[in-house]
Formats: sequence, structure tokens, C-alpha cells
Amino acid sequence: DSGVTQTPKHLITATGQRVTLRCSPRSGDLSVYWYQQSLDQGLQFLIQYYNGEERAKGNILERFSAQQFPDLHSELNLSSLELGDSALYFCASDSPNNEQFFGPGTRLTVL
Amino acid sequence: AQTVTQSQPEMSVQEAETVTLSCTYDTSESNYYLFWYKQPPSRQMILVIRQEAYKQQNATENRFSVNFQKAAKSFSLKISDSQLGDTAMYFCAFIQGAQKLVFGQGTRLTINP
Repeated sequence: DSGVTQTPKHLITATGQRVTLRCSPRSGDLSVYWYQQSLDQGLQFLIQYYNGEERAKGNILERFSAQQFPDLHSELNLSSLELGDSALYFCASDSPNNEQFFGPGTRLTVL
Repeated sequence: AQTVTQSQPEMSVQEAETVTLSCTYDTSESNYYLFWYKQPPSRQMILVIRQEAYKQQNATENRFSVNFQKAAKSFSLKISDSQLGDTAMYFCAFIQGAQKLVFGQGTRLTINP
């Protein structure tokens, strides 16, 4: 158990819909990173938050947005969903020595 | 741009054998960190081993060790006495500072009984 939690574990929804993925970092960690893993692909960085502020952005679609709340949990919002958005979405938090610890992921299926 | 390349999409060895997974990376920076992550069928991402670029000594964690060649920008993972539970996707990853991880495409490793 990495200490990073993600909910829900699975999401099945239809094209055009909107979903929210939730992540809580390890106790004491201030950063949250979101990654997307499509089928048989490596992980692609989406966005990073640090102590409530956006710090870095990757190839995140405009239909996707995220935020980090004062209690440091983060939410990733995916809207106008397309079939190609089906993927495993991970969040991670990092220790002071740059090790990133991953949550169990949310598997999103868009039908 | 920083890139990570894993040239072996799949590997298969017998239980108890030693296997080496290859990874090369590209960066112009001198301070960075390299990692190997394991992703078993459960899809959980598990940190296996970590190497700081400024350290010449290769990292070791039990049966897992790395061969870090900074000049060649090479970072291979050696698994000794392989076990069935080592069957997984293995991802090499690079990070510079408190930033995003850049991942390779992964090597699917199968340990056969």
C-alpha cells in the first residue's frame, strides 16, 4: 500500500458524459501528479499540483481539468468523454527525495 | 526534450534465472534521478529501485540491482534469482527535480516455471 488513495476504482460511462476522479496524496506530501495510461502504453503525464497551485502541465486535453483542495486531495475532471479517453488514470505524490508513489488507479471505460 | 527508451518490448526467462532489462535516456542535465517501476497484472505501479545521477555506486535492493552508465546514458535493471512474482511490466523512468516522471514504453517480463 503506497498510502495514495484513489476513488473510484472503476468507472463506466458513455460518450459525451463528464466524470470526476479523486485522489488523496500520502500524509505529509504536498504534490499530486496525474498520469494517463492507455491500453498497452506507457504513462503520460497530465498535470501536477503543489499545495493547491498548478505547477506543471503535460499533454492534457482542454476537456480535462484538475484542482487541488486545501486538504490536499485532488480531483481530475474529464468532460465530453470520447472512446479514446478510456484508460487507467493514476495519481501520485512524491517524497522529498523525488520518489513518486502511485495510487491504485481508476480504470475509466467510455462506451 | 527528455526521453526514455526501452528497446525490449518483451522478455521471457525461466524461474531462478537472471535477467537484465535495458533502458537508455536522453537529457542534457547533470542532476537527475532514474527509477524502475514494476506493474504486475493488478496494474498497481510499484517502485522497484532508484538511482541518483550524482552517485557512482549502483543501487541495489535485494534481488534487484542496476547498472548505471552515466556517460552512455544507460540504466539497466538486473533481476537475480527470478521468481514467478516478478512477472510484470517494467517501466524505466526519469525525473529531474520535483517534476513529472518521463516513462519508457515498458518491457513485459514473463517468468516461466
